[in-house]
Amino acid sequence: DAKTTQPNSMESNEEEPVHLPCNHSTISGTDYIHWYRQLPSQGPEYVIHGLTSNVNNRMASLAIAEDRKSSTLILHRATLRDAAVYYCILRGSMDSNYQLIWGAGTKLIIKP
Amino acid sequence: DSGVTQTPKHLITATGQRVTLRCSPRSGDLSVYWYQQSLDQGLQFLIQYYNGEERAKGNILERFSAQQFPDLHSELNLSSLELGDSALYFCASSVVLRGGNTEAFFGQGTRLTVV
Repeated sequence: DAKTTQPNSMESNEEEPVHLPCNHSTISGTDYIHWYRQLPSQGPEYVIHGLTSNVNNRMASLAIAEDRKSSTLILHRATLRDAAVYYCILRGSMDSNYQLIWGAGTKLIIKP
Repeated sequence: DSGVTQTPKHLITATGQRVTLRCSPRSGDLSVYWYQQSLDQGLQFLIQYYNGEERAKGNILERFSAQQFPDLHSELNLSSLELGDSALYFCASSVVLRGGNTEAFFGQGTRLTVV
């Protein structure tokens, strides 16, 4: 199964956009890219997912490179409540029953 | 509130003991997943059940077992506990999105401390 690489941590100022990068150079053509986040003392929560095209929802945007070897999660206007660990995940193959393969994530620190 | 309920929230037990963690999935979700998260680590997938049947296994130790009951709630049994089993244990249930993807809804977790 393909793996992802993310920075261990990032800092951003409140009310500014945040771009969280993710590398997945061994992604296969059918792997979807999922993002989850885990707030302190909480279970993870779904943020967004995509395959090839950029995706937008109420929480964030997902920009996927044309070669699909990288992607960026965009929080348009970060708030203190967005401080969390953000996980970039590839959906596993059919052999693994489409499991989500979790990495270590990026700890996002928001400065007031 | 994700709709997934895990009990208990905290559990402290001694080495060598056995514990049972319980999970009630969201109404209508047939899949239940169990994950282990050690301190400051990512999530390790343990096992998945779908409508009462085991669907996939991850890095689950032989001392651990799980089952999903007809009412779809699930239990994770951990036996012969060791200090290294201290961790957060999360349960998730899922709904199917487009392309066969699943959005997983996670419970608040059970924090297990083995002393």
